[in-house]
Amino acid sequence: GENVEQHPSTLSVQEGDSAVIKCTYSDSASNYFPWYKQELGKGPQLIIDIRSNVGEKKDQRIAVTLNKTAKHFSLHITETQPEDSAVYFCAASKRNTGFQKLVFGTGTRLLVSP
Amino acid sequence: DTEVTQTPKHLVMGMTNKKSLKCEQHMGHRAMYWYKQKAKKPPELMFVYSYEKLSINESVPSRFSPECPNSSLLNLHLHALQPEDSALYLCASTPTVLLLAALGVNEQFFGPGTRLTVL
Repeated sequence: GENVEQHPSTLSVQEGDSAVIKCTYSDSASNYFPWYKQELGKGPQLIIDIRSNVGEKKDQRIAVTLNKTAKHFSLHITETQPEDSAVYFCAASKRNTGFQKLVFGTGTRLLVSP
Repeated sequence: DTEVTQTPKHLVMGMTNKKSLKCEQHMGHRAMYWYKQKAKKPPELMFVYSYEKLSINESVPSRFSPECPNSSLLNLHLHALQPEDSALYLCASTPTVLLLAALGVNEQFFGPGTRLTVL
């Protein structure tokens, strides 16, 4: 089955710096890669996603890149703000006729200091 | 309405109790999920319902019993739980893949979770 590894487990940056979180996956059939942000006491919230037919996607300060050959994908956050502090999970999924089975990475705790 | 709601927010129960968790969505999604999340860990899939039928049971102990009475509602019935079952229980939903392909929407929407403590 699919296995997703995520690094680093914790990341501390100063406000305004960039943050990069990296994930690798094992199943070449995976074709959808979302990133979730989870704040304390809340459920995960999708912040950006990418499909396997796209190499890069950007949404304001957040970008995701995908290297299918190497089975790597990364989250890039620029101009970090204290409100970006949370746990971030990457995930991988492959197409199914009726549902979406996500396999999550182990999570990265991001701390942005003012 | 683009949200998944879960009740209760917090639940404390003894090992002999029977309780139920409830999840609801009104986005027309036909796939619904239960996850278990321990502290500092990622969500762990328990069950998947697709068109109100159980599609995946990830070898979950029988003391957890899911139910999908209609396309908007998902329940998780709890009986004879153990202290190690204490966790955050998350519900999620997605459009079916056919609809995803038509709309280009992939997002799996999560609820806020129920914090369960088993004494």
